[in-house]
Amino acid sequence: GAGVSQSPRYKVAKRGQDVALRCDPISGHVSLFWYQQALGQGPEFLTYFQNEAQLDKSGLPSDRFFAERPEGSVSTLKIQRTQQEDSAVYLCASSSRDIAKNIQYFGAGTRLSVL
Amino acid sequence: SQQGEEDPQALSIQEGENATMNCSYKTSINNLQWYRQNSGRGLVHLILIRSNEREKHSGRLRVTLDTSKKSSSLLITASRAADTASYFCVSRGSTLGRLYFGRGTQLTVWP
Repeated sequence: GAGVSQSPRYKVAKRGQDVALRCDPISGHVSLFWYQQALGQGPEFLTYFQNEAQLDKSGLPSDRFFAERPEGSVSTLKIQRTQQEDSAVYLCASSSRDIAKNIQYFGAGTRLSVL
Repeated sequence: SQQGEEDPQALSIQEGENATMNCSYKTSINNLQWYRQNSGRGLVHLILIRSNEREKHSGRLRVTLDTSKKSSSLLITASRAADTASYFCVSRGSTLGRLYFGRGTQLTVWP
């Protein structure tokens, strides 16, 4: 498709399990972002890739969170040993090289519920 | 942490009325954006206004920006039920690419 695709749409995990969330950005977009959105809040930045390089990971809440984009296209956000406070919607966004506009195109998100 | 605050947090109006949402932000900006989020279409970019612009229009949307007060407003004219969504004021931080979202204004438009 033409938009940002995320999978799975919903994920239920038992506390302590590892999860992997996938993002397929818009073809040709060099920049990719991950955000976390808690219920009733706005999205909060997690990490940013330009091609395969992770240029900013300052928003990752703990070392249990890890993101990669090895070939500069698809990205995976991995959360190890999930905890209840990790329950949120995880949004992926991509944008083109036109940094001055910096319009980000968002996927539908993955809703993670940790029981 | 979030660097913008929308006001009001919730707004409920009838179809055909205008809706005005305000936003205050904390840091210097190059531009300010508004995004909309609903269950049907997810998070979608609406409009971008540059720091050297004071007002911008796009269809039924009108955005103003006052950099001296670090504030912006979004006006939706002749609202429709399909405008029901959360609206976010979004600024870009000094770190390349990173966007800062407020908590949003939940707009409900009744038919």
